[in-house]
Amino acid sequence: EDQVTQSPEALRLQEGESSSLNCSYTVSGLRGLFWYRQDPGKGPEFLFTLYSAGEEKEKERLKATLTKKESFLHITAPKPEDSATYLCAVLGNQGGKLIFGQGTELSVKP
Amino acid sequence: KAGVTQTPRYLIKTRGQQVTLSCSPISGHRSVSWYQQTPGQGLQFLFEYFSETQRNKGNFPGRFSGRQFSNSRSEMNVSTLELGDSALYLCASSPSNREAFFGQGTRLTVV
Repeated sequence: EDQVTQSPEALRLQEGESSSLNCSYTVSGLRGLFWYRQDPGKGPEFLFTLYSAGEEKEKERLKATLTKKESFLHITAPKPEDSATYLCAVLGNQGGKLIFGQGTELSVKP
Repeated sequence: KAGVTQTPRYLIKTRGQQVTLSCSPISGHRSVSWYQQTPGQGLQFLFEYFSETQRNKGNFPGRFSGRQFSNSRSEMNVSTLELGDSALYLCASSPSNREAFFGQGTRLTVV
């Protein structure tokens, strides 16, 4: 069964304190791993797609990496506006069905 | 380029009623998926439509149904509402089995 597990569930950082979020997955035939950011009461905002082990993507203070079993979202020198829930999802052999993790709630204090 | 549009944004319904939610995908996207998000279960897949055909379905009861029109717009319907159906319902569009772009969701409250 396809499954995604994210850790930690919640993360509190001071502004400028770098850290990483983890996404472990098991999927039949990985067709893509996706990272989203979700603010309260809003829909998920697309951040990155990773397709194969060893791939990396960067956007501002965020960097996503992928291995055969997990993905990391590295946050460098975060700012309070980076506070949000970060969601990881995988797309396997079942067409357009995304399997989501439970998310990591990130809080960055000034 | 306009994003995914969902209407209405908020809805309050009574148990036993039915509800229809609407989704207009990004222009050119032929795949539309629906998800239910609750604090306890997170984001769960409901179904996916591609070129007016349901291509995939999640583990939800038959009270949940959907359809897609020739212009790719989609609707989902929930009949005989239960209190547990209260959730944020999210629609996502995709150019074709790639990254999905989500709308702002419809917040459904069943009382």
